[in-house]
Amino acid sequence: NAGVMQNPRHLVRRRGQEARLRCSPMKGHSHVYWYRQLPEEGLKFMVYLQKENIIDESGMPKERFSAEFPKEGPSILRIQQVVRGDSAAYFCASSPTTRGKRDQPQHFGDGTRLSIL
Amino acid sequence: AQSVAQPEDQVNVAEGNPLTVKCTYSVSGNPYLFWYVQYPNRGLQFLLKYITGDNLVKGSYGFEAEFNKSQTSFHLKKPSALVSDSALYFCAVRDSPLWGNNRLAFGKGNQVVVIP
Repeated sequence: NAGVMQNPRHLVRRRGQEARLRCSPMKGHSHVYWYRQLPEEGLKFMVYLQKENIIDESGMPKERFSAEFPKEGPSILRIQQVVRGDSAAYFCASSPTTRGKRDQPQHFGDGTRLSIL
Repeated sequence: AQSVAQPEDQVNVAEGNPLTVKCTYSVSGNPYLFWYVQYPNRGLQFLLKYITGDNLVKGSYGFEAEFNKSQTSFHLKKPSALVSDSALYFCAVRDSPLWGNNRLAFGKGNQVVVIP
């Protein structure tokens, strides 16, 4: 039973380029959360998506960042015109449909480590 | 907003001794609390959760946590630490007031070092 799959594991970009991070949730999971972990810090929530819908993007920077979770395929976190401050580990987590449950633990991928030169 | 605090940066413990990692919370309403562990270059692994019920929650790998409402704490414990328990531990709280949105707010994490 495959877990949450993220790729690439490591991504290097130069300033001004675009970064695309992909996340395939666990089988049967329809909810995806993205978090960012800066060095020496805990994880910060970025965005919560369900299939074809952005539910909560309150943690997303206002510019350059976008996310999608299409009907088919993985969820994508896209960062345009990257800057040095975007260097971080980006984690995706998935959970099954909540059906009103508020206690579903999230299952995390191994992350994408983004380095900006 | 809901939040958790992990007051210590690093916890050092000798192998075989009891391990405690501290977490306090600040919430409005009922707290939904979680502990996760992170090994180097890996994602977070779920250890245990508190929703309602018994204040002592048992989780994976021999870990347990005690929910204390009067002290607003949710400390993680293990009776006898192993060298393989050396990792980064995160306390988290469900952060959104909206039904169905289970986003988490994390503490800054505690590095646990178990000394052989």
